[in-house]
Amino acid sequence: GDSVTQMEGPVTLSEEAFLTINCTYTATGYPSLFWYVQYPGEGLQLLLKATKADDKGSNKGFEATYRKETTSFHLEKGSVQVSDSAVYFCALSANQAGTALIFGKGTTLSVSS
Amino acid sequence: GAGVSQSPRYKVAKRGQDVALRCDPISGHVSLFWYQQALGQGPEFLTYFQNEAQLDKSGLPSDRFFAERPEGSVSTLKIQRTQQEDSAVYLCASSQGRGGNTGELFFGEGSRLTVL
Repeated sequence: GDSVTQMEGPVTLSEEAFLTINCTYTATGYPSLFWYVQYPGEGLQLLLKATKADDKGSNKGFEATYRKETTSFHLEKGSVQVSDSAVYFCALSANQAGTALIFGKGTTLSVSS
Repeated sequence: GAGVSQSPRYKVAKRGQDVALRCDPISGHVSLFWYQQALGQGPEFLTYFQNEAQLDKSGLPSDRFFAERPEGSVSTLKIQRTQQEDSAVYLCASSQGRGGNTGELFFGEGSRLTVL
């Protein structure tokens, strides 16, 4: 079945460091891909998405490119801030109505000043 | 309200008790999902409603789990005869479209269930 694998955490960085969180997927067909973020004490919220190959999703300085050839959707940010400390989830959804999101296990990011 | 609201936020149950978890989705949202999130894991799909119709319940782990959305708005997830392995955070999400892929899913903060 469809699945998402993302790098184990925690990831610990200093402020202004470069961030990469790896995500690869297995799916039949051409899914949509998502990154969700969960800040401490809050619910999951959509960070960015891409719906077809070579699309780049971006938001709040974060970017991820849908790479069909490597089945990847790695999350990157050029300069992290303390406020980026959160748990990040990669997810996919088959492009069919009524299909639920399938999530990875999550990667905890901790940024110190 | 402005977002998805879940109650109770925290629930402690003795093994064998029944529990009911409530979800108030964003007004007008057609789709409603329930997820289970164990400690240190990602959310796992339980069930999906489109309006009042439960279109997919393939993720419910046993017949002790039951969900309903009788009027196409508020939903309740009921767990009968709770077991320790049911301890998890139960997340509710809603979206305007007819499925998780058609638009953004809006999540509640979750209901944390601890079964002693």
